[in-house]
Amino acid sequence: KAGVTQTPRYLIKTRGQQVTLSCSPISGHRSVSWYQQTPGQGLQFLFEYFSETQRNKGNFPGRFSGRQFSNSRSEMNVSTLELGDSALYLCASSPRQGLSAFEQFFGPGTRLTVL
Amino acid sequence: GIQVEQSPPDLILQEGANSTLRCNFSDSVNNLQWFHQNPWGQLINLFYIPSGTKQNGRLSATTVATERYSLLYISSSQTTDSGVYFCAVGTGGSYIPTFGRGTSLIVHP
Repeated sequence: KAGVTQTPRYLIKTRGQQVTLSCSPISGHRSVSWYQQTPGQGLQFLFEYFSETQRNKGNFPGRFSGRQFSNSRSEMNVSTLELGDSALYLCASSPRQGLSAFEQFFGPGTRLTVL
Repeated sequence: GIQVEQSPPDLILQEGANSTLRCNFSDSVNNLQWFHQNPWGQLINLFYIPSGTKQNGRLSATTVATERYSLLYISSSQTTDSGVYFCAVGTGGSYIPTFGRGTSLIVHP
């Protein structure tokens, strides 16, 4: 099976702009989660989508939003970018069923730099 | 929420050495994973181990859920083992894991 894919891999934006990141989960996985990783805060959970519905949300401002499509692909959007949004954004997919329902598989990440 | 502590925070080894990384957690868990983050940032699954012992080549892991800790053993370390090792745990019916701060491992040739 192909792994989790994320596009783009690298992105440079300026303050005030918006950005959309994409994630394609492992075939058959219906749950997609997004994380932000920074040196200071570590890995922080953003939100999880399952069957096109947001099921869980982390403690991030409303500028961070996402959606999931019927094919389980997910997009994450950040509006009005701030310098502090510079981070590695990781997407993970999970089967949400079976013996390893909770197991998460991560994509390569999108490294976002805000200037 | 659940607290996850990893130790040591940093580890420097010579190639060929063995090491043990520890993950302590503050509550009962029903899922636990170990990951290796490579220098390019990707998190690689090592073990899904809510309890018991597993082995995969030079790596093995043990989770003692009743005592709230998990151990990751790396034997005969290689330079490619360098990176950050994360433990992530989940409780109850939550699909959202809580990550530790990681152990940064450097293996010198």
